[in-house]
Amino acid sequence: GAGVSQSPSNKVTEKGKDVELRCDPISGHTALYWYRQSLGQGLEFLIYFQGNSAPDKSGLPSDRFSAERTGGSVSTLTIQRTQQEDSAVYLCASSFRGGGGIDTQYFGPGTRLTVL
Amino acid sequence: AQKVTQAQTEISVVEKEDVTLDCVYETRDTTYYLFWYKQPPSGELVFLIRRNSFDEQNEISGRYSWNFQKSTSSFNFTITASQVVDSAVYFCALSEAALNTGNQFYFGTGTSLTVIP
Repeated sequence: GAGVSQSPSNKVTEKGKDVELRCDPISGHTALYWYRQSLGQGLEFLIYFQGNSAPDKSGLPSDRFSAERTGGSVSTLTIQRTQQEDSAVYLCASSFRGGGGIDTQYFGPGTRLTVL
Repeated sequence: AQKVTQAQTEISVVEKEDVTLDCVYETRDTTYYLFWYKQPPSGELVFLIRRNSFDEQNEISGRYSWNFQKSTSSFNFTITASQVVDSAVYFCALSEAALNTGNQFYFGTGTSLTVIP
């Protein structure tokens, strides 16, 4: 079946503009995660959704970052007033999370954000 | 404290050599999972393996093998007879079950493997 998809694949924006990044998880997956990967770095956890609620927003770096998920499916990560340090690849992952337990996360291809 | 440590930042090997990527983790949970992911130059993370804390059996999948040792909190990954297509960044990850936040994933900083033809 279809994997996790993300759009756009690349986004170039000017400093101070707002951007929206979209993630379509694998159908039937109830858990969704956003990560950020700066050039040559590891993965930085941003936020986790279980259904439409976000029990863990601890990774959001500032109040310029927000995310929502509607219908238990698509999620949007919004960055307001972008700064150059926001330039990174933003990765989305989803997992089944059915009935408890620990589930494998499957990743999308990422959105490469460049803030000029 | 870092929950997952991948001490090797970069490794280069010549094609057909064997290579082992180290992963050391830290957790107080008795139930946890360990993962390896591959990130090729294209950028997409590819799931390789998941191992639960109750199963210390080593696993082999083709040229890949994994050695899980709870006594040393390690989950090392060996590629036998490496190939150029193995060149990628490899991430080790730990997942703990957190009651109110779902499973928390902790990634290591990755090991960049270059296989030289």
